[in-house]
Amino acid sequence: QKEVEQDPGPLSVPEGAIVSLNCTYSNSAFQYFMWYRQYSRKGPELLMYTYSSGNKEDGRFTAQVDKSSKYISLFIRDSQPSDSATYLCAMELRRCFGNEKLTFGTGTRLTIIP
Amino acid sequence: GAGVSQSPSNKVTEKGKDVELRCDPISGHTALYWYRQSLGQGLEFLIYFQGNSAPDKSGLPSDRFSAERTGGSVSTLTIQRTQQEDSAVYLCASSRDYYSTQPQHFGDGTRLSIL
Repeated sequence: QKEVEQDPGPLSVPEGAIVSLNCTYSNSAFQYFMWYRQYSRKGPELLMYTYSSGNKEDGRFTAQVDKSSKYISLFIRDSQPSDSATYLCAMELRRCFGNEKLTFGTGTRLTIIP
Repeated sequence: GAGVSQSPSNKVTEKGKDVELRCDPISGHTALYWYRQSLGQGLEFLIYFQGNSAPDKSGLPSDRFSAERTGGSVSTLTIQRTQQEDSAVYLCASSRDYYSTQPQHFGDGTRLSIL
């Protein structure tokens, strides 16, 4: 079993819809949670960065973390064709001395249909 | 530069050859990471540098893989005697500071194809 599970999709939704992307994880020591967006032939671009449980909103994007369920979500409101990309969740362990490696989900490929 | 820079962007080589991939992190970032992204596998951690030292090399898949960082800046990832299973996108990331909570920022990667 992988430490981080993410439905690879593909997921297609009409423009303007609300998109929900999710990941589950098994390691309760994960403390930092991230969502990256990756366009074709580009590197991952950081969208959201959260610590522990709760919600964080940035424009049309909301990240939600539920540590008791080991479940994180990314919501995209008023989705646009430019949101079409692969979305990767990533997690980081509690830091003893500083930075740690990231553990990624496999990514969900999202297409917004005009 | 403004972001993490990787070169070459694409590399095609024959099985058995050695390859060297380069990463230039964001100016002032002291932590540097190498990941590998294979089709259907997601991103896998390879190695992490803090300054010029590598506290975590746990992700390097075999002794054919090595990496170094000099001057606390540019890093090179070397793969010796390449195999077809080494074909992947190799991504580099950097973050600002070892002791603070800072996210990782990625370059666009080197797409490596082994014939």
